[in-house]
Amino acid sequence: DQQVKQNSPSLSVQEGRISILNCDYTNSMFDYFLWYKKYPAEGPTFLISISSIKDKNEDGRFTVFLNKSAKHLSLHIVPSQPGDSAVYFCAAAGSNYKLTFGKGTLLTVNP
Amino acid sequence: DTAVSQTPKYLVTQMGNDKSIKCEQNLGHDTMYWYKQDSKKFLKIMFSYNNKELIINETVPNRFSPKSPDKAHLNLHINSLELGDSAVYFCASSQIRSYQETQYFGPGTRLLVL
Repeated sequence: DQQVKQNSPSLSVQEGRISILNCDYTNSMFDYFLWYKKYPAEGPTFLISISSIKDKNEDGRFTVFLNKSAKHLSLHIVPSQPGDSAVYFCAAAGSNYKLTFGKGTLLTVNP
Repeated sequence: DTAVSQTPKYLVTQMGNDKSIKCEQNLGHDTMYWYKQDSKKFLKIMFSYNNKELIINETVPNRFSPKSPDKAHLNLHINSLELGDSAVYFCASSQIRSYQETQYFGPGTRLLVL
C-alpha cells in the first residue's frame, strides 16, 4: 500500500523554465511533508519541508505547495538549473516518527 | 569530514553468508536510522535508535539485527543472506527524535547477494 505516490517517474525541462514535481498521499494522519533530493551514488539530502498548518513554503528557487483537501503537494523549482538534475523524493510523516517516502521522480534539466 | 559515513560502499556476497554494514555520524545527533531502498526504488524505514535505544522496528525478518554501541554508531548485521536482501541500505541521523527534524543520510551501501 503506497501511502505516498509520485506518479511521474521522470520529468524533463529546459534550463530557466519551471519544474513542477507532484506528490499525492493517502494517509490523513500525515501532518508534515518533506522533499529530498538525491544524486547518483549519494544519499538523499533534505531540500524543503512544509507543515500541514501551512499551504506554502518558499526557500529561494524552491517552493512547496500543500493542498490538504486533495492530499496533494508539489515542488516548484524556478528557474531550473542543470545542477538541479537529480531524483526528488517526496516524504510524509505523522506522530509515529516515521518518514514514508515516495518512489521518486527523476528530474533532468537540459541546458 | 563526512557527516554520516557507511562502510562498505559495495558488498557482493553469496546467499547464506552473514554480513555487517557499519554507520557512523559525527554530527552529535541523538537519533539514527536504517533505510532500505529496494529494486522498486522505495526508501523504507527499517530501524531507528534514539540514544542507543531501539524506538522503531519495522516488520523486517529476524535475520536483520541492528546494534548501537554508542550514540554515534548504528551497525546492521544480516544473517543468512537471501537474494531478496539485495538493495541499497542507507543510514541516517537526526538531532533529536522528531519527525520534523531533518534527517542526514549516508552515501548508501549497495548489497548484492548472489
